[in-house]
Amino acid sequence: GNSVTQMEGPVTLSEEAFLTINCTYTATGYPSLFWYVQYPGEGLQLLLKATKADDKGSNKGFEATYRKETTSFHLEKGSVQVSDSAVYFCALSGGYSSASKIIFGSGTRLSIRP
Amino acid sequence: DTGVSQNPRHKITKRGQNVTFRCDPISEHNRLYWYRQTLGQGPEFLTYFQNEAQLEKSRLLSDRFSAERPKGSFSTLEIQRTEQGDSAMYLCAGGRLDTGELFFGEGSRLTVL
Repeated sequence: GNSVTQMEGPVTLSEEAFLTINCTYTATGYPSLFWYVQYPGEGLQLLLKATKADDKGSNKGFEATYRKETTSFHLEKGSVQVSDSAVYFCALSGGYSSASKIIFGSGTRLSIRP
Repeated sequence: DTGVSQNPRHKITKRGQNVTFRCDPISEHNRLYWYRQTLGQGPEFLTYFQNEAQLEKSRLLSDRFSAERPKGSFSTLEIQRTEQGDSAMYLCAGGRLDTGELFFGEGSRLTVL
């Protein structure tokens, strides 16, 4: 079945550092890929998405490119801020059917030092 | 505010009791998902609905769990004969088939003593 694997955390960086959080997936067909974020004390919310190979999703300075050849969807940001401290979840849906469930990775906790 | 509300926010119960959680998405959400999340883990898929039809239920879910979405609006998740291992945050999310994006509620935390 479909699955998502994320790099384990926690990840601790200094402000203005470059961020990469790795995500790889296993799926049949052509899934859609997502990054969700959970800020402290809040619910999960969509950060960005990509629906087909080579698409780049972007939001709030974060980017991720859908790489079908490497089955990856790594999250990157060029200069992180303290306010980016949160838990980040990679997720996928679909495959051959658009009516498929959305499954999540285990999450990566990010802490940014001032 | 995602527009998805869940009640109760926190439920403490004794082992063996039944509990029911309710989720109210916004009217545009033709999809509704239930997930379970434990500390340090990602949301674990339980079940989901397309309008009132339950399309899939996780094989990890025992027969003690049941969910309904009458008339394709609100949904309920019932857990019968609760066990301590059921203690978790139960998340509901609404969404639309055409966008794939989920809008999560704040969750219902279950503590089984």
